[in-house]
Parts: sequence; structure tokens; C-alpha cells
Amino acid sequence: DTEVTQTPKHLVMGMTNKKSLKCEQHMGHRAMYWYKQKAKKPPELMFVYSYEKLSINESVPSRFSPECPNSSLLNLHLHALQPEDSALYLCASSLAGDYEQYFGPGTRLTVT
Amino acid sequence: QKEVEQNSGPLSVPEGAIASLNCTYSDRGSQSFFWYRQYSGKSPELIMFIYSNGDKEDGRFTAQLNKASQYVSLLIRDSQPSDSATYLCAVTSHGQNFVFGPGTRLSVLP
Repeated sequence: DTEVTQTPKHLVMGMTNKKSLKCEQHMGHRAMYWYKQKAKKPPELMFVYSYEKLSINESVPSRFSPECPNSSLLNLHLHALQPEDSALYLCASSLAGDYEQYFGPGTRLTVT
Repeated sequence: QKEVEQNSGPLSVPEGAIASLNCTYSDRGSQSFFWYRQYSGKSPELIMFIYSNGDKEDGRFTAQLNKASQYVSLLIRDSQPSDSATYLCAVTSHGQNFVFGPGTRLSVLP
């Protein structure tokens, strides 16, 4: 089973709202990732958690706040987003850093 | 700056033909290479990965790696309209994160 789940599938939020994206995997993977993808562009890495510790934050604005409550779960907390933050947000996991990554279906986020 | 390059396409091939997708990378220390397929509006789906020089076959797909030339390719035999998608090449070095290429859009014409 190589399934990564993400909720919600779609999210519309105003610039003053607070919302969270959720990602879950039960493959025993120890690395989990958040990516942002704009139309016709490749995924852009935002955060990497390795063994439940944040190992990379690719200079992402503080209005995005990641959380890894346990080895199977990854959250992305959103607050005071801008319209340009509208994108497909992808979660991925891998056994470890150099291994193949498996992507969830993504959350389509629209900021109004 | 580590770079991965792909022709953006679109690459158009007739149904039943071989589609050849190419990827070059700048970091000579790269060790792992991945091909993902992404349909419009969907998430990337892993097709193949390759670590060693040479060919690796899986069904209609063959990945080819030439580390000396810093080149990795994906061949799709007997292309089907359902193969029409964007194909992303990703490269990583030990302990480093994926670097994605911009993707090649493939169109298989019935």
C-alpha cells in the first residue's frame, strides 16, 4: 500500500481565516514533505520533516506553519494568507530522505 | 545551483509509437533519479526510479541512466492516449532533497 491521504480536497478561505491541511500515511515512512504547486510548474518544496523533526524550511513565510504530531501525521496550519498563496498543496512521504516519494492527492486551496 | 532540465514540450507522438522523454542534471554527485507522471489537476504519480547506469524496464516503461553524460531518459513503448500527461524528472543526492525538472508535456494522438 503506497497511499498518502490528504484532507480537505478543496479549501476556500478568506485572508483573515485560519485553517489547517492534514496529511496521513501508514507506510512506516520517516520523512514527510509539504510542497506547493502552481499551474504548469513543478512542485516547490516548502517543508521537510525527518523522524518527526523539521529538517528543512525553504524560507517559507510564517503564515504557513507546519506540525508533525507523530510519524504518520503531518499538518499545515494556514493564517492570514494572500491570494497569491492559492495553489495545489501536496503532501508526500518517503522511507527516508533519498528514497522515492509518494504523493497524496493534494488540497486545492483558493484564497479570496 | 543544482539544476534539472527537461524539454517543456508538448511532445506529440501517434498512438502505438515510442515516446522518448529526456532529462539532464547539473550535479555530478546525483545518485537517485525518479520519473513522475502528472495528469492535469492531479498529483504526481511515481512511475519509475533508477540508481545505476543502464536500463531499467517496467512494463511499457524503460528508464535509462547515463551518469557520465548526466542524462536520464524515459521511454514509453506502445504509447496510449491515456499516457498524455506531464512527466516530471526528479533528481537527488545523498542527504539532499528532490530537485524537480520543469516537466515535459506529452500528447499521444489517437
